[in-house]
Amino acid sequence: DAGVTQSPTHLIKTRGQQVTLRCSPKSGHDTVSWYQQALGQGPQFIFQYYEEEERQRGNFPDRFSGHQFPNYSSELNVNALLLGDSALYLCASSGRTGGYGYTFGSGTRLTVV
Amino acid sequence: QKEVEQNSGPLSVPEGAIASLNCTYSDRGSQSFFWYRQYSGKSPELIMSIYSNGDKEDGRFTAQLNKASQYVSLLIRDSQPSDSATYLCAVWGPNRGGSNYKLTFGKGTLLTVNP
Repeated sequence: DAGVTQSPTHLIKTRGQQVTLRCSPKSGHDTVSWYQQALGQGPQFIFQYYEEEERQRGNFPDRFSGHQFPNYSSELNVNALLLGDSALYLCASSGRTGGYGYTFGSGTRLTVV
Repeated sequence: QKEVEQNSGPLSVPEGAIASLNCTYSDRGSQSFFWYRQYSGKSPELIMSIYSNGDKEDGRFTAQLNKASQYVSLLIRDSQPSDSATYLCAVWGPNRGGSNYKLTFGKGTLLTVNP
């Protein structure tokens, strides 16, 4: 049973650049949530996608955008990268309600220099 | 007030002891409660879920929920060095406006079990 897969695992970008992170949800899951985890902090909710639409969003600027495809996979895009965007980006998938817990991918470590 | 608060730690216990981790949450509309374990450099792994008041036991782990006090805890009995990790409390509750629900995490508590 394939779990949540994320790519790439590591990424180094320069300030001002744009980045795209990818996620395939666990089989049977149709909802994808993205989180940012800075060092020493808990994961912070960025946004959630369901039925190819952004269903809800956390306190992140519009530089953070996303997309969900018909096969439920998802992308996270970050424009105009800042040094403060350096973090572990986690993708989590769940069933529609999400109340039974999220399954996380292994994450993408983004470093902005 | 933060939505989910954990005792920040770090917490250090000897091998074989009981480790106690605590969490409080602010939204009374929250419905589901989880504990995730995160090893350094890895992603969170779900270890316990609890949905109603009381205790829930799974092996060496016991989760406790008190909705009246808005309090969740995790007890780890017979702690092992392999339990050394950051433990994240997560609460599934309504987002602003209340029409959708999301999982909100605390900052995490770093647990070290000393041999």
